Amino acid sequence: GQNIDQPTEMTATEGAIVQINCTYQTSGFNGLFWYQQHAGEAPTFLSYNVLDGLEEKGRFSSFLSRSKGYSYLLLKELQMKDSASYLCAVMDSNYQLIWGAGTKLIIKP
Amino acid sequence: GAVVSQHPSWVICKSGTSVKIECRSLDFQATTMFWYRQFPKQSLMLMATSNEGSKATYEQGVEKDKFLINHASLTLSTLTVTSAHPEDSSFYICSARGELNTEGQYFGPGTRLTVT
Repeated sequence: GQNIDQPTEMTATEGAIVQINCTYQTSGFNGLFWYQQHAGEAPTFLSYNVLDGLEEKGRFSSFLSRSKGYSYLLLKELQMKDSASYLCAVMDSNYQLIWGAGTKLIIKP
Repeated sequence: GAVVSQHPSWVICKSGTSVKIECRSLDFQATTMFWYRQFPKQSLMLMATSNEGSKATYEQGVEKDKFLINHASLTLSTLTVTSAHPEDSSFYICSARGELNTEGQYFGPGTRLTVT
């Protein structure tokens, strides 16, 4: 079967750095996405990785290792507005997105 | 970037009535749209995949006769919740597949349905 695992909840301090991990087992791989979802809102796109390595975009970076079935989202200089759920999703061989359950990130002052 | 709209943003209806939710891709053609449901503090749950001009593909456990999906054009998909019950109260979110696979899905703002 297909499976995406990520921690349920994480807590971090404002101004700090946090890494949210995602491991996956899917039938085929056509890329991994990270989305941010604030409470009561729809998800918004953060990043896309299809090749191994680190993609940096401002305070957010996303890493992928296809051989390990592993990705992480790195958030730097945390701000209170970063409190949200972060969803990991893998595009399988049929170009369908397989979703993780999401990681709720709580930022404390 | 691509924009997906949803209407209405919230709706309250009485038990036993039907509610239609519209999902539109505003500046691109979406051959494939997706309908999700999300209960409070739970993850997204894919209900169905909608392809323009064909019948929707429903996920296991989703009643196709209760959740009617129509994707009659490249920019519009509708979800009708028939004979709604209080347990159908949820946040319904549609998304559209981008024209490039690297774009993933673009999400509408969601519709909060409350059935009284």
